[in-house]
Amino acid sequence: EDKVVQSPLSLVVHEGDTVTLNCSYEVTNFRSLLWYKQEKKAPTFLFMLTSSGIEKKSGRLSSILDKKELFSILNITATQTGDSAIYLCAVVPQGGSEKLVFGKGTKLTVNP
Amino acid sequence: EAQVTQNPRYLITVTGKKLTVTCSQNMNHEYMSWYRQDPGLGLRQIYYSMNVEVTDKGDVPEGYKVSRKEKRNFPLILESPSPNQTSLYFCASSSRRQSNTEAFFGQGTRLTVV
Repeated sequence: EDKVVQSPLSLVVHEGDTVTLNCSYEVTNFRSLLWYKQEKKAPTFLFMLTSSGIEKKSGRLSSILDKKELFSILNITATQTGDSAIYLCAVVPQGGSEKLVFGKGTKLTVNP
Repeated sequence: EAQVTQNPRYLITVTGKKLTVTCSQNMNHEYMSWYRQDPGLGLRQIYYSMNVEVTDKGDVPEGYKVSRKEKRNFPLILESPSPNQTSLYFCASSSRRQSNTEAFFGQGTRLTVV
């Protein structure tokens, strides 16, 4: 059975801290890994990772994939209160993005 | 604007009263899916569709039905809702033509069954 495990499940930090969120997976015929940010309602897309070792960056957020060790990390530097959200990791198995397998998410709280 | 639209956003209903949650996308996507999100369980797939008239069960299909008569619409039907179907529901769509692409989510439907 395909499985995605995120850690930690919950994290509280102060503004300015750097955080690392973890996502490990066991998936038959891996295609890609997606990171989403969920603030109030709909998850919004952050990154798609398909190749090992290639870092994706967007402002203070970055992510990398290790296909050999079957994990990904999402880094957020100089955190702000607006980064408070649930961060979701999802894996796309071979076949396509019609069937995403999600982790339970990491709830990040950034205090002023 | 490219989007996935769900309706209603909030719904309170009674046990056993049939309901439909609509989902529509304007991106000409082939793939559409329904997920439910519950505390401590994350997002779990209910049903998905790879194209018109092609649907299949996800991980938690019991108590739900779907149909895909048109490419843009993918309604979720609860024939006889029960309290354990109280949840936050998301519809998502994605393209088959792009080999690697993210899924786009609707704004969610908060369903309460009493």
